Amino acid sequence: DAGVIQSPRHEVTEMGQEVTLRCKPISGHNSLFWYRQTMMRGLELLIYFNNNVPIDDSGMPEDRFSAKMPNASFSTLKIQPSEPRDSAVYFCASSTQLTGVAGNTIYFGEGSWLTVV
Amino acid sequence: EDKVVQSPLSLVVHEGDTVTLNCSYEVTNFRSLLWYKQEKKAPTFLFMLTSSGIEKKSGRLSSILDKKELFSILNITATQTGDSAIYLCAALHSGTYKYIFGTGTRLKVLA
Repeated sequence: DAGVIQSPRHEVTEMGQEVTLRCKPISGHNSLFWYRQTMMRGLELLIYFNNNVPIDDSGMPEDRFSAKMPNASFSTLKIQPSEPRDSAVYFCASSTQLTGVAGNTIYFGEGSWLTVV
Repeated sequence: EDKVVQSPLSLVVHEGDTVTLNCSYEVTNFRSLLWYKQEKKAPTFLFMLTSSGIEKKSGRLSSILDKKELFSILNITATQTGDSAIYLCAALHSGTYKYIFGTGTRLKVLA
């Protein structure tokens, strides 16, 4: 089975440019999560979707960040304009929420390594 | 505010040592606790714990949950250099199905 697929794997961009990160969740998973990981702050939840609907975006740092999930198999995280402090690894993850199951495993993509110079 | 705290932040040991990693949580409507290992890329799943006192084992790794004291430990016996990684724990919120991660423990095993 294909796992969570993210693109690009690496991106280096100049400050002020728009960055779009893409994610394809595991087929059949109905929850999708965007995380950001840095040495200082660890793994932070930015936003998550359930059945394509944003449930909690309280982790989105500011208005420069936006995320969409137009359908069950695709999501984007956009940063516009980008700043050097946005440099981090951005992970997309997905899970399935079966009722009656005590807990569910979350599966991560390989991450998009973003450097803003 | 829901939070997950891991300790120690980093640890350096020698091959053959046994290590214990700690994870405490304060999460309303707690559902389960998960452990992940992260090497160079994506975190990979190790354990999911939902009940207190029941040890999960996989080879040299084991983990247990204490829902009364709100913590979990991950034990690694006879450590090997391949165990060097960041170990993350996450608490799953029951109502929102939101995963809250700790900052991780960075383990380095020296040959």
